[in-house]
Amino acid sequence: QVQLVQSGAEVKKPGSSVKVSCKTSGGTSSRSGISWVRQAPGQGLKWMGGFIPILGTANYAQEFQGRVTISTDESTSTAYMELSSLRSEDTALYYCARDMGGAMVPFNAFDIWGQGTMVIVAS
Amino acid sequence: QSALTQPASVSGSPGQSITISCTGTSSDVGGYNLVSWYQHHPGKAPKLMIHEGSKRPSGVSNRFSGSKSGNTASLTISGLQAEDEADYYCCSYARSGLYVFGTGTKVTVL
Repeated sequence: QVQLVQSGAEVKKPGSSVKVSCKTSGGTSSRSGISWVRQAPGQGLKWMGGFIPILGTANYAQEFQGRVTISTDESTSTAYMELSSLRSEDTALYYCARDMGGAMVPFNAFDIWGQGTMVIVAS
Repeated sequence: QSALTQPASVSGSPGQSITISCTGTSSDVGGYNLVSWYQHHPGKAPKLMIHEGSKRPSGVSNRFSGSKSGNTASLTISGLQAEDEADYYCCSYARSGLYVFGTGTKVTVL
């Protein structure tokens, strides 16, 4: 059974960067897309961006363009999300999620989610 | 890329049916048959309830159903139960590898 296991909570200073990892275990889904979704306190879910291995491309929501980098290491079945120039508004719970899209249509919905990683940005 | 519009809250009594709407544009909801719905208890991982507008993943109760008309998608929960109380989010593919979530709806079972 495929699981996504994320790295632990982080506390960062404003202006710094954070890199969160998301390891796929229990199955072979290295060709599935991985997206990152965050939820700030008291707010809703927000899609940040995603990486589609079969296309070899990452796509980012306009709000995060220039600050977020999503990558994968197929050798370790691990995806990463790095967010730079952190500000207090980036304090949030960050989730990775597997896209259940297939080879023909790589975009569909997010069927497996990581447990979430809390990132706190404070001076 | 604006968030899809959902009602902030919907409530119903046990056994009743409720419907949550999700309004977007022809660039997202109306342009693709790729609307999904998630049940979310804050602090826990969201759970996929509906994909491709109306398909239920294995293990999801048939009390949950999805539909779409034009730029508006809907999630209906029939036979409302106490365990259905949660936040619900729609999500749509929105071209060029992008997705957008809805604003979220808090479902309360009276």
